[in-house]
Amino acid sequence: DIVMTQTPLSSPVTLGQPASIPCRSSQSLVHSDGNTYLSWLQQRPGQPPRLLIYKISNRFSGVPDRFSGSGAGTDFTLKISRVEAEDVGVYYCMQATQFPYTFGQGTKLEIK
Amino acid sequence: EVQLLESGGGLVQPGGSLRLSCEASGFTFSSYAMSWVRQAPGKGLEWVSTISGSGGRSNYADSVTGRFTISRDNSKNTLYLQMNSLRAEDTAVYYCAKGRLLSGVDAFDIWGQGTMVTVSS
Repeated sequence: DIVMTQTPLSSPVTLGQPASIPCRSSQSLVHSDGNTYLSWLQQRPGQPPRLLIYKISNRFSGVPDRFSGSGAGTDFTLKISRVEAEDVGVYYCMQATQFPYTFGQGTKLEIK
Repeated sequence: EVQLLESGGGLVQPGGSLRLSCEASGFTFSSYAMSWVRQAPGKGLEWVSTISGSGGRSNYADSVTGRFTISRDNSKNTLYLQMNSLRAEDTAVYYCAKGRLLSGVDAFDIWGQGTMVTVSS
């Protein structure tokens, strides 16, 4: 199974400042079709997860452009250019390159 | 509006069974793979199972293989999860999720609100 690792598990940030959330996979997420199926999800308190980014860097419909994704192979990053209060929650990376699909442990974004 | 609505959760004794349902609306249900993802209380997300749009292919997490069965009724726009031989460690909120692509899953783009399953005596 591909293990997805997110450290740190908690990230305190100041409103208006940037935030960066890393994710590492135990093996390359490049699929045999050439695509990399790494996505990012946000889960606000008491809410279901919400898709932010798919295939490393593609922003899903309705997601603010302050969210961006980058990376390749086994190392990926979600960036928030200027953190807003509504961004508080847990962020998960997920791989859908091979079964079983796996998630990172989640990184909790907190406001300082 | 694209929507997923889960139902069927509840309290069940260890060894018991439960069937979850997920009713879809707002998109061509039969064209998309569908999945179940669970979240134990205070924990992270765990993929459980995925079924293709036609229902002809399915995959399971090792933790549920042989006990859970995913299925779908495309005439009713409904996804199911039959859960047998339930254990305490199956206690979780169960979400249904839609695959983003027409031809498979690269991400889960739509999630339901979830239904709680509690396995306890």
